[in-house]
Amino acid sequence: GIQVEQSPPDLILQEGANSTLRCNFSDSVNNLQWFHQNPWGQLINLFYIPSGTKQNGRLSATTVATERYSLLYISSSQTTDSGVYFCAVVVTTDSWGKLQFGAGTQVVVTP
Amino acid sequence: DAGVTQSPTHLIKTRGQQVTLRCSPKSGHDTVSWYQQALGQGPQFIFQYYEEEERQRGNFPDRFSGHQFPNYSSELNVNALLLGDSALYLCASTRTGLGYGYTFGSGTRLTVV
Repeated sequence: GIQVEQSPPDLILQEGANSTLRCNFSDSVNNLQWFHQNPWGQLINLFYIPSGTKQNGRLSATTVATERYSLLYISSSQTTDSGVYFCAVVVTTDSWGKLQFGAGTQVVVTP
Repeated sequence: DAGVTQSPTHLIKTRGQQVTLRCSPKSGHDTVSWYQQALGQGPQFIFQYYEEEERQRGNFPDRFSGHQFPNYSSELNVNALLLGDSALYLCASTRTGLGYGYTFGSGTRLTVV
């Protein structure tokens, strides 16, 4: 099956710093999403980005589908950015899709 | 516009018991999926429902079963609970067809003692 690898596994940032999270996937995909899981467990959808670049405030994402990777940029990080960031791709079987998650990147932003 | 709602938020059960978790999808969504997330890991796909039928299933035993109702809401049932079933159970909804993302609920944290 498709493999989804995220790097780095852990990231410690000082407030105000910028960072880049990477997601590599082993096969072509129709759908890729980035999620932020807060300390209470909720998975918050950040971007639906099968290709191209999107921006939302201090966050932006780029997916290069032909090279099978996606990047999530966090600029001017804040303590509220702490949590686990997951990349997930849709794996389709008989026209039905399911999300295949990477192992996540644990981000800690210190004051 | 309500998002995905799950109930209950927390649950403690004894080994061998049965549990039912509930999910209401986001307005406009017709497909519901369930995921299990063990501590420190990414969510793992359990199964997916559309038009009240199970459409796809992950690598989970038959102790895990589900149901979808005509209003698109869904239940996840787990029988004969094991200690290893302790996890965060997440419900996700989407709209059938390409080009639609998934929205997750806040999850139900199940502890089996």
